[in-house]
Amino acid sequence: QSVLTQPPSVSGAPGQRVTISCSGSSSNIGAGYDVHWYQQFPGTAPKLLMYGNSNRPSGVPDRFSGSKSGTSASLAITGLQAEDEADYYCQSYDSSLTGWDVFGTGTKVTVL
Amino acid sequence: EVQLVQSGAEVKKPGESLKISCKGSGYSFTTYWIGWVRQMPGKGLEWMAIIYPGDSDIRYSPSFQGQVTISADKSISTAYLQWSSLKASDTAMYYCARRIPSSSTTYYFDSWGQGTLVTVSS
Repeated sequence: QSVLTQPPSVSGAPGQRVTISCSGSSSNIGAGYDVHWYQQFPGTAPKLLMYGNSNRPSGVPDRFSGSKSGTSASLAITGLQAEDEADYYCQSYDSSLTGWDVFGTGTKVTVL
Repeated sequence: EVQLVQSGAEVKKPGESLKISCKGSGYSFTTYWIGWVRQMPGKGLEWMAIIYPGDSDIRYSPSFQGQVTISADKSISTAYLQWSSLKASDTAMYYCARRIPSSSTTYYFDSWGQGTLVTVSS
């Protein structure tokens, strides 16, 4: 199982703000390793949404923001839109026996 | 433009072997890690393995060590993932992705292939 835990689902009405948490430990996020986020629509490949905790690649709307504190990270979506309905995954590095890069368990965002 | 183009869907029987590919273009293939990620039906992303085509340095997730083999042919900018004996539990979508540094120790996947669906069924 993944060492990065996310809530299975979050939901919100259009225009609202939702946050997705990514909970880790002292061997990954808590050790200071960066957190990255991906967005995946059904039947398509994941897409990079946020890198280095809070940096948006070109073309990603500024309603998406990222933060990190302690052993956790968060992705916030403000002004939620219907097109934001997708699966979201966090990713970091883990220095324990689990390997190198690790993904979070994933969160389904539903727009009500 | 960075592009990763994967080979097409495969349908195999248990016990058969398989090699899928991922061809990179639009960048220097030998200077970035390539990773493979598994997504089983209805499930999340799992990091499998990475390779540095420049010198074929390889790392496997403990979960996949011994189960798959990763390789690359830098002369044709192509990475591979192969199985010697498939199982039904290998049925999944497999993605390749370019891995670039965020810091001295952390990397992220900035460009992804379209995915290769592998179905293993008797």
